[in-house]
Amino acid sequence: KAGVTQTPRYLIKTRGQQVTLSCSPISGHRSVSWYQQTPGQGLQFLFEYFSETQRNKGNFPGRFSGRQFSNSRSEMNVSTLELGDSALYLCASSLGGTGGIYEQYFGPGTRLTVT
Amino acid sequence: AQSVTQLGSHVSVSEGALVLLRCNYSSSVPPYLFWYVQYPNQGLQLLLKYTSAATLVKGINGFEAEFKKSETSFHLTKPSAHMSDAAEYFCAVTVPYGQNFVFGPGTRLSVLP
Repeated sequence: KAGVTQTPRYLIKTRGQQVTLSCSPISGHRSVSWYQQTPGQGLQFLFEYFSETQRNKGNFPGRFSGRQFSNSRSEMNVSTLELGDSALYLCASSLGGTGGIYEQYFGPGTRLTVT
Repeated sequence: AQSVTQLGSHVSVSEGALVLLRCNYSSSVPPYLFWYVQYPNQGLQLLLKYTSAATLVKGINGFEAEFKKSETSFHLTKPSAHMSDAAEYFCAVTVPYGQNFVFGPGTRLSVLP
């Protein structure tokens, strides 16, 4: 099976711009979670989508949003970029049902640099 | 709510020495626990998981971890370190029917020749 893919891998944006990151989960996985990783804050949970619905949300401002499509692919959008948004954004997919525990499989991440 | 602490942000061991990375968790219900490894410029890779079956869990690359409820711990060990083990290691916790993984701050493992 192909793993989780994220595009683009690297991105440079300017303050005030907006950006969209894409994640394609493992085939058959219906849950997609997004994380922000920075040296100072570590891995922080952004949100999780399951069957096109946001099921969980972390403590991030409304500038961070996401969506999931019917094929389980997900996009994450950040509007009005700030310097502090520079980070590695990781996407993780899992089977994501409600009846058990499903480990998360991570993509390679998108490195976003805001200048 | 769950939380995870990892004692030691940086651990150094000699090649061939025992690796011990510490993880303590807090959870109001029986947890599920995971160890992930991250190599530079890569995503996280699952090493092993505890999901309430055997308390001693074996994972990939010779790693294992033991769930100790009385100590609320899930420490990761490997008998003999290899240079290729140098990476960052994350402990994570979730709960039954929960979908939110909470990650610890990570421990960077250095392996000295």
